[in-house]
Amino acid sequence: AQSVTQLGSHVSVSEGALVLLRCNYSSSVPPYLFWYVQYPNQGLQLLLKYTTGATLVKGINGFEAEFKKSETSFHLTKPSAHMSDAAEYFCAVRPSTGTASKLTFGTGTRLQVTL
Amino acid sequence: GAVVSQHPSRVICKSGTSVKIECRSLDFQATTMFWYRQFPKQSLMLMATSNEGSKATYEQGVEKDKFLINHASLTLSTLTVTSAHPEDSSFYICSARDSQGPGLEQYFGPGTRLTVT
Repeated sequence: AQSVTQLGSHVSVSEGALVLLRCNYSSSVPPYLFWYVQYPNQGLQLLLKYTTGATLVKGINGFEAEFKKSETSFHLTKPSAHMSDAAEYFCAVRPSTGTASKLTFGTGTRLQVTL
Repeated sequence: GAVVSQHPSRVICKSGTSVKIECRSLDFQATTMFWYRQFPKQSLMLMATSNEGSKATYEQGVEKDKFLINHASLTLSTLTVTSAHPEDSSFYICSARDSQGPGLEQYFGPGTRLTVT
């Protein structure tokens, strides 16, 4: 069984400020972890993913996330927010074993960027 | 990068009619596709997993007779909402898994907004 918890359904930051979106997961087997971004009325775009290897992963648009097994966390960060970062962000987990394994999504965090 | 398309992007239909939504993987083969439903300001809920050449696997609580899924080729899956009602109005998103990629990457379509009047 697996689940994802995203703390904070809504986060507001000023342009240029640090972005931190929190994600904690639970998984009975080693997980694959993902962050997706969704703009209004659009599908999901993959920002970054962790499968194996380096625990700090870098993604598109300056985002990065660190897999911390001891904390069962995969928080998303960006040093300096841009207005174009305003969107909905979803953390997701999938078991690393089994080709039929499915993604489980968190409830999402809406990021607002203000001037 | 891999692209998944959905058609139509928006559809309005009358209550009692059926609507078909197409999901295509444009530059890769997908033996497995997924159909999700998303209500406003909520997360994606998996409805069913579609496997090429076989019956779809539906999640608990999803009516298989209402949401018909066909995955007849490695690049096309369709979702038909039969006898649609206003409560079926939602944003439907498909996703296709690259069956030949190293990480079994999953790519998402742009979504279809269904409104039942």
